[in-house]
Amino acid sequence: DAKTTQPPSMDCAEGRAANLPCNHSTISGNEYVYWYRQIHSQGPQYIIHGLKNNETNEMASLIITEDRKSSTLILPHATLRDTAVYYCIVRVYSGGGADGLTFGKGTHLIIQP
Amino acid sequence: NAGVTQTPKFQVLKTGQSMTLQCAQDMNHEYMSWYRQDPGMGLRLIHYSVGAGITDQGEVPNGYNVSRSTTEDFPLRLLSAAPSQTSVYFCASSYSAGGNEQFFGPGTRLTVL
Repeated sequence: DAKTTQPPSMDCAEGRAANLPCNHSTISGNEYVYWYRQIHSQGPQYIIHGLKNNETNEMASLIITEDRKSSTLILPHATLRDTAVYYCIVRVYSGGGADGLTFGKGTHLIIQP
Repeated sequence: NAGVTQTPKFQVLKTGQSMTLQCAQDMNHEYMSWYRQDPGMGLRLIHYSVGAGITDQGEVPNGYNVSRSTTEDFPLRLLSAAPSQTSVYFCASSYSAGGNEQFFGPGTRLTVL
């Protein structure tokens, strides 16, 4: 799976959009970009994933650059409950499972009141 | 649906003791896995299963055994606990091993003295 690079921490004001960047310059053509988050002491939670088109669901939007070497997760109206560590993961969609999900250190997003 | 459940939530063991961490899911998922998370680190895959009767090793399998006799349950056994196994353990499941959304349990916090 391709390696990802994320900033270790970010702050965002409550009610504003939180934009979390991820660099994955070695991504392969068949690798998807996944985002998970982990709120303190809880299990990770799936947010969104995409291949090359922008994606949106009830939680967030995922913007992937045209060359697919980077992406941005957008939380449109951040709340205090969005304070968490956010993980950007790149993997082949049809992976056999042997590698599981490779969690790096992620970005610790802190929402300020 | 209860989702993914794990028991116990907390456990303290002495070096050399054995125990089993329980994991169950009620979503009829074929794929289940175990991760450990050490302080300040990402999650690392211990063992996984792509279906009942089938298990395989992940990144850090030493000191752990698993079995999968039913679709619902995937217990993790510590054979002879060591202080290096002090960690938070998460169980996860997904519809298949093919990179779908994975659902995580709330975790078991294990301390080995």
